[in-house]
Amino acid sequence: DQQVKQNSPSLSVQEGRISILNCDYTNSMFDYFLWYKKYPAEGPTFLISISSIKDKNEDGRFTVFLNKSAKHLSLHIVPSQPGDSAVYFCAASVVGNAGNMLTFGGGTRLMVKP
Amino acid sequence: EPEVTQTPSHQVTQMGQEVILRCVPISNHLYFYWYRQILGQKVEFLVSFYNNEISEKSEIFDDQFSVERPDGSNFTLKIRSTKLEDSAMYFCASSVGGQGQETQYFGPGTRLLVL
Repeated sequence: DQQVKQNSPSLSVQEGRISILNCDYTNSMFDYFLWYKKYPAEGPTFLISISSIKDKNEDGRFTVFLNKSAKHLSLHIVPSQPGDSAVYFCAASVVGNAGNMLTFGGGTRLMVKP
Repeated sequence: EPEVTQTPSHQVTQMGQEVILRCVPISNHLYFYWYRQILGQKVEFLVSFYNNEISEKSEIFDDQFSVERPDGSNFTLKIRSTKLEDSAMYFCASSVGGQGQETQYFGPGTRLLVL
């Protein structure tokens, strides 16, 4: 069941440039989206989220864009830093769902080269 | 900064044995979750827990699994009779609320290996 998909398993960018990570979803009931970063042997760390009533949310170097008609969201990191090298997961949930279950994408491994 | 903690960090067990994975959620959080990630696969939802009862569970969370909040701080996942396919990273998470736009905060995980 591929309700949330991250089609690029890996991405390599140069330090200082923009990193763009993409995520697609199929379930139109999803209305809250989150990005998590994960280092090896650690748990997912929350980065940024967006509600379906918005199309953009920004927090420092991180911006998430949501295109509801295309069922697509992206995470922009600018400028990218070597410490950003990690696996990035997008996740989605349905607000009001009693269980608040998150559905995750498969992740994109970002490598930022110095 | 408050964080979710999990013990043990690694657990090796024999097939058929019971294991208990422990979590201490963030202190003012009311909703608790377990997820797992089998090597090379997605992070998968197992169960959510609020007010001392299960709110939602996935089809993975069968009768072999149970959760409990035995005291005011711990949240546990028990696997009654482990199978080889239970080998995975198990993540505990917690959130302040559970039905709004709630951010779930994850612990570092327990790596379970079933031999």
